[in-house]
Amino acid sequence: DVKVTQSSRYLVKRTGEKVFLECVQDMDHENMFWYRQDPGLGLRLIYFSYDVKMKEKGDIPEGYSVSREKKERFSLILESASTNQTSMYLCASSFGPWGEQYFGPGTRLTVT
Amino acid sequence: QKEVEQDPGPLSVPEGAIVSLNCTYSNSAFQYFMWYRQYSRKGPELLMYTYSSGNKEDGRFTAQVDKSSKYISLFIRDSQPSDSATYLCAMRHAGGTSYGKLTFGQGTILTVHP
Repeated sequence: DVKVTQSSRYLVKRTGEKVFLECVQDMDHENMFWYRQDPGLGLRLIYFSYDVKMKEKGDIPEGYSVSREKKERFSLILESASTNQTSMYLCASSFGPWGEQYFGPGTRLTVT
Repeated sequence: QKEVEQDPGPLSVPEGAIVSLNCTYSNSAFQYFMWYRQYSRKGPELLMYTYSSGNKEDGRFTAQVDKSSKYISLFIRDSQPSDSATYLCAMRHAGGTSYGKLTFGQGTILTVHP
C-alpha cells in the first residue's frame, strides 16, 4: 500500500527558529513535492525534486529551502520562521513527473 | 487573476442530492485535469483524472471537461454523508519542463447531511 509519512502532525515554533519538516515515502518514487495549503488559496507548490540531490523552485519558494539526500526522504527547511509561514504543509510523491501524486497527512505549523 | 478559480463554498446538501462542483481556468496550456478529495485532517487523494474534453464516469462520480470554455466539473450523484470533504480541482501542462507541476483550485468544502 502506498504510503507518504510526515514527521509531525502539529508543530508550534517561535519566530526566527529554524524549522525542519520531514517527509518519507516508501514507494521508490522519483518525484517529491512540498505544498502549503491556506484557506482561500488552495495548494501552492513550494519546491519539488525529481531526483536525489535535485530540486526545482515552485511558485512560492521564498523563505524555504529543501534537501533530498536519499530517494525516499525530502525535507523542507524554514531557515528563520516567520508568522506568515503559519500554514498546513503537505508532502507528495509520484512515480515520474506525470504519475499520480500521493499525499501525506500534512503538518500544521504554527509560528508565534 | 488566478490561473484556476474554484468557488470555495461551503456547499451543504441533503443526502441523495446531485452535487455539482466547478472550476474555470485561464491557461490554455493545461491539458490534464484532476479532482482530488480531502477529508478533514487528511492529505488529498486522487478521485478522477481526465485528459480530453467530454465526460468520464466512475460509479457515482462524473468528471466533465470543456476545453473550449476552459471549464471543468465534477458531479456526484446520490450524494452520501461520507462524501463530505473538500474537493480540489487540479490541472497541469502536457509536457515540457513543468515536471508534472500541478496547479490547484482553492477547494470547495462540501457537507452532505443525512
